[in-house]
Amino acid sequence: AQSVAQPEDQVNVAEGNPLTVKCTYSVSGNPYLFWYVQYPNRGLQFLLKYITGDNLVKGSYGFEAEFNKSQTSFHLKKPSALVSDSALYFCAVSLLGGGYQKVTFGTGTKLQVIP
Amino acid sequence: GAGVSQSPSNKVTEKGKDVELRCDPISGHTALYWYRQSLGQGLEFLIYFQGNSAPDKSGLPSDRFSAERTGGSVSTLTIQRTQQEDSAVYLCASSPPGQSTDTQYFGPGTRLTVL
Repeated sequence: AQSVAQPEDQVNVAEGNPLTVKCTYSVSGNPYLFWYVQYPNRGLQFLLKYITGDNLVKGSYGFEAEFNKSQTSFHLKKPSALVSDSALYFCAVSLLGGGYQKVTFGTGTKLQVIP
Repeated sequence: GAGVSQSPSNKVTEKGKDVELRCDPISGHTALYWYRQSLGQGLEFLIYFQGNSAPDKSGLPSDRFSAERTGGSVSTLTIQRTQQEDSAVYLCASSPPGQSTDTQYFGPGTRLTVL
C-alpha cells in the first residue's frame, strides 16, 4: 500500500527566511508526487508535481520541491517566505503507470510565516 | 472558466437524518473524486469516478455512504442515518482526461455538522 508522511504538524518560519516542508512517501514503483496548498477558508490548490525528469520541480508562487529517490522524499521549499504563504500544505503520492491509480494524501503541515 | 462547485457550502443536520451533497465538476473533466477532511486529519479518499468505468468505492467508510455520478458530470454523495462522527468537510475534485492520475482541481467543500 502507498503512503505519505508529513512529520511536522506545524512549521514556523520568519518572513524572508527560507522554508522547508517535509514529505516522505512509500509506493511500490515509480512515484507520481504532488503538493497542494489550502489557504484559510479556501479550497485546495495545486502547487506542483513531479512525474519524471529533473529532480527539482518548480511550481506556483515561487515554490519548488526536490525529488530524492534514495531518501524517498519530496520536500517543499521556498527561498524567502512571505506572510501570505501561511496555509496548510498537503503532499500526495500516486503510482506512475497506466490506468487508474489512487492518490494518497498526507495529513498536512500548517505553515506559519511570522512577520 | 468555472471551477468545481459544491453545494451546499454548509449543512447542519440532526443525527439519524440523511443528507445529499452535490458536486459539479469542471466541464470536460472525466475523473471525479470525493474526499473527507476532518479536523486535524488529512484528506481521506472516499470514492473515484472515471468516465463510464466502474467507480472505485474502496474508501467509503460504511454502507451508509454512497455516491452517484449522472451522465458523467454531476455527482451526489449521500450519507444515510448520519452520525456525529460524519461531521467533516467533504471535498470534491475533478481531473481532465488523459493520464488517469493527474492534477486535481478541488471545489470549496461542504462543511457537514451532525448534531
